[in-house]
Amino acid sequence: DAKTTQPTSMDCAEGRAANLPCNHSTISGNEYVYWYRQIHSQGPQYIIHGLKNNETNEMASLIITEDRKSSTLILPHATLRDTAVYYCIAFIQGAQKLVFGQGTRLTINP
Amino acid sequence: DVKVTQSSRYLVKRTGEKVFLECVQDMDHENMFWYRQDPGLGLRLIYFSYDVKMKEKGDIPEGYSVSREKKERFSLILESASTNQTSMYLCASSFQLDTGELFFGEGSRLTVL
Repeated sequence: DAKTTQPTSMDCAEGRAANLPCNHSTISGNEYVYWYRQIHSQGPQYIIHGLKNNETNEMASLIITEDRKSSTLILPHATLRDTAVYYCIAFIQGAQKLVFGQGTRLTINP
Repeated sequence: DVKVTQSSRYLVKRTGEKVFLECVQDMDHENMFWYRQDPGLGLRLIYFSYDVKMKEKGDIPEGYSVSREKKERFSLILESASTNQTSMYLCASSFQLDTGELFFGEGSRLTVL
């Protein structure tokens, strides 16, 4: 699986959009980009995934660049409950396992 | 709602004890996973199972075994607990092996003294 690179930490004001970047310059054509988050003392929670096209669900939007070398997770109206570690993962369907990196610690400030 | 339940949130055991960590999912998922999470090391896969009575080693299976006698239940066994197995243990399940969408339990924090 391709390695992903994320900033160690980020801050965002409550009510603003939180934009979390992820670099995956060695991603292959059949690797999806998955995002998870982990709130303190809980298990990781799936957020969204995509291959080429931008995706949106009730939690977030995922913007993938045309060359697929990077992506951005957008939380449109961040709340204090969005404070968590966010993981960006490149995953080949059928790979059988997810490989979690260190993620980005996002802090939403009041 | 989808639910993965781990039997114990916190356990304290002594070195050499046998430890059972239980995980139950109510989604009729085929696949179940055990990870451990340590500061600075992230989540690492210990074992996974894609069917009843089937198991596959993950990245760090040494010192662990697993059991899957029923589809909904996946147990992690530490035959003889050691202090370096002090960790957060996370169970997960997924509908298919070729999906990256996993559902995680809340975790079991094990301390081995």
